Amino acid sequence: GAVVSQHPSRVICKSGTSVKIECRSLDFQATTMFWYRQFPKKSLMLMATSNEGSKATYEQGVEKDKFLINHASLTLSTLTVTSAHPEDSSFYICSVLAFSYNEQFFGPGTRLTVL
Amino acid sequence: EDQVTQSPEALRLQEGESSSLNCSYTVSGLRGLFWYRQDPGKGPEFLFTLYSAGEEKEKERLKATLTKKESFLHITAPKPEDSATYLCAVQATGTASKLTFGTGTRLQVTL
Repeated sequence: GAVVSQHPSRVICKSGTSVKIECRSLDFQATTMFWYRQFPKKSLMLMATSNEGSKATYEQGVEKDKFLINHASLTLSTLTVTSAHPEDSSFYICSVLAFSYNEQFFGPGTRLTVL
Repeated sequence: EDQVTQSPEALRLQEGESSSLNCSYTVSGLRGLFWYRQDPGKGPEFLFTLYSAGEEKEKERLKATLTKKESFLHITAPKPEDSATYLCAVQATGTASKLTFGTGTRLQVTL
């Protein structure tokens, strides 16, 4: 399967600041990537679908102005949490869609803590 | 709305004690059902994809099966290293490959 990395693995920031999370597909050209968030002992919730060279598609209830997604190349998608607040604290995970297998391969996740 | 329900929520087994995890789903049209393993603080690791009722797939001590309403993940003679959360997800037809996840089963295998 595809190898996916995320950076940073952990980030702590102050309320009101912006945080950028990178998702890289290391051995696969990813036209489509997905961003999820996961609360403790809860399911993964899809936030948005990131398509290379076009605007991301956001799920209902996800604020696109707060969670900015950029997919400028076939190997990199970024999620920027703008004006972060404590309720944005969560585990953010990206995935890469391998079209040939119709499977998603996930990154290791980024733990965001907003103080 | 697509729904995925996993049971039990948590399961504790002794090493060698086989069992099954259940994933019940409601979807307008099933394109695929996926099983993932997730270790604490890490992203999900892909295990299996099942596409049609009656399909079965195996990997080491794990075997996944699919019916029209549910999927089972059978764990045969588990070892402590099988301890993890097992996630089930469905992909509906016409949803551009999006996955809907269940809340998972936390499996603990003890010596």
